Amino acid sequence: DQQVKQNSPSLSVQEGRISILNCDYTNSMFDYFLWYKKYPAEGPTFLISISSIKDKNEDGRFTVFLNKSAKHLSLHIVPSQPGDSAVYFCAASGGSGNTPLVFGKGTRLSVIA
Amino acid sequence: DGGITQSPKYLFRKEGQNVTLSCEQNLNHDAMYWYRQDPGQGLRLIYYSQIVNDFQKGDIAEGYSVSREKKESFPLTVTSAQKNPTAFYLCASTPGGVRNTEAFFGQGTRLTVV
Repeated sequence: DQQVKQNSPSLSVQEGRISILNCDYTNSMFDYFLWYKKYPAEGPTFLISISSIKDKNEDGRFTVFLNKSAKHLSLHIVPSQPGDSAVYFCAASGGSGNTPLVFGKGTRLSVIA
Repeated sequence: DGGITQSPKYLFRKEGQNVTLSCEQNLNHDAMYWYRQDPGQGLRLIYYSQIVNDFQKGDIAEGYSVSREKKESFPLTVTSAQKNPTAFYLCASTPGGVRNTEAFFGQGTRLTVV
C-alpha cells in the first residue's frame, strides 16, 4: 500500500520554463512533507519542506504548495536550469507514532537546453 | 566537516555470502536509517534505530540485520537469506528523534551479486 505517490515517472521541460512535480499522499496523519533531489550513484539531498500548517513555502527558485484537502503537494521550479536534471523524491512524515520518512517512487526531471 | 560516511562505495558479493555495509555519522544525530533503492521503486525502509542498542524493522527487513552499539555507527548486514540483494543502499540520520525533520543521507553503497 503506497502512502506517497508520484504518478509521473519522468518529466521533460525546456530551460527557463517552469517545472511542476506532483505528489499525492493517502495518510491523513502526515503533517510534514519534504522534497529531495538525487543524482545517479549519489545520496539524496534535501531541497525544501513544508509543514501541514502552511500551504506554501518558497526558497529561491523552488516553491512547494500543499493542498491538504486534496492530499496533494507540488514542487515548482522557476526558471528551470539544466543542472536541475535529476530524480526528485517526495517524502512525508507524521503517521502513527514515531515513523520515519516515507518516500514516493520519484520523478526524473530532464531540463533541455 | 560533519556528515554521513558509507563504505565501501561499490561491493560485490557471491551467492550465499553475508556482507556488511558500513555507515558512520559525526552529526551527533540520535536516529539512523537504512533504505534500499531499486529502479522505479523509490526508497524503501529496511531498518531504523532511534537510540543506541535499539532498532526497529522497516518495510523490507527480511534478509537483513543491523546493530547499533555506538551512536555514530549503524552497520547493515545483508545475509544469504536476502534473495535479491543487488541494489543501491542508502544510510540516513536525523537529529533528536524521527518526527518532522530533515533526514541527511550518505553517498550510498552499490551492492552487486556476482
